[in-house]
Amino acid sequence: DSGVTQTPKHLITATGQRVTLRCSPRSGDLSVYWYQQSLDQGLQFLIQYYNGEERAKGNILERFSAQQFPDLHSELNLSSLELGDSALYFCASSRQGGGEAFFGQGTRLTVV
Amino acid sequence: DQQVKQNSPSLSVQEGRISILNCDYTNSMFDYFLWYKKYPAEGPTFLISISSIKDKNEDGRFTVFLNKSAKHLSLHIVPSQPGDSAVYFCAASGRRGSTLGRLYFGRGTQLTVWP
Repeated sequence: DSGVTQTPKHLITATGQRVTLRCSPRSGDLSVYWYQQSLDQGLQFLIQYYNGEERAKGNILERFSAQQFPDLHSELNLSSLELGDSALYFCASSRQGGGEAFFGQGTRLTVV
Repeated sequence: DQQVKQNSPSLSVQEGRISILNCDYTNSMFDYFLWYKKYPAEGPTFLISISSIKDKNEDGRFTVFLNKSAKHLSLHIVPSQPGDSAVYFCAASGRRGSTLGRLYFGRGTQLTVWP
C-alpha cells in the first residue's frame, strides 16, 4: 500500500460526459501529480500541483483540468469525454516537487 | 520530446540469470534517477533510485548504475525470478523545487523471466 488513494477505481461513462477523479496523497506529501496511461503507452504526465498551486503542466488537454485543495487532496476533471480518453489515470504524490513519488492504484476510465 | 528513453520495449531472461534494463536521458539537468516496477492494472511501485553524485546503488538483488558522461543508467537484477516479470519504468527528476522537479518517465520495458 503506497498510501495514495484514488477513487473511483473504475468508471464507465458515455461520450460527451464529464467525470471527476479524486486523489488523496500520502500523509505529509505536498506535491501531487497526475499521469495518463493509454493502451500500450507509457506514463504521460498531465499536471503537477505543489501545496495547492500548479507547478508544472504536461500534455493535458484543454478539456481537462485539475486542482489541489487546502487539505492537499486533488481532483482531475475530464469533460466532453471522447472515446480516446479511455485510459488508466494515475495520481502520485511526493514530499516536495521531485524525488520519489508514490503512486495510487489508478482509476480506469472507459468512455463508451 | 522524450527526455528519458528506454529503447528496448521487451526483455526475456531465464530464471536465475541477470536481467539488465537500460535507460538513456537527454537533459543534463536531471540529478536524480529512479526505477519503477509495474504490474498490469496496478500503480507503478518505486524500486530503487540513485543520485547523480553516485555511480552505483544497490538494494538486495537490484543494482542501479549511472554513467553521467554517457547519460545512461541501467538496472541489474540478479538473480532474476519469475515474480520480477513486470514492466519497468525508468524515471528522472531535476532539482527538487525547480521546474524540473517532477518525474520524467521512459516508455517502459516489459521484463519476462521464464523458468
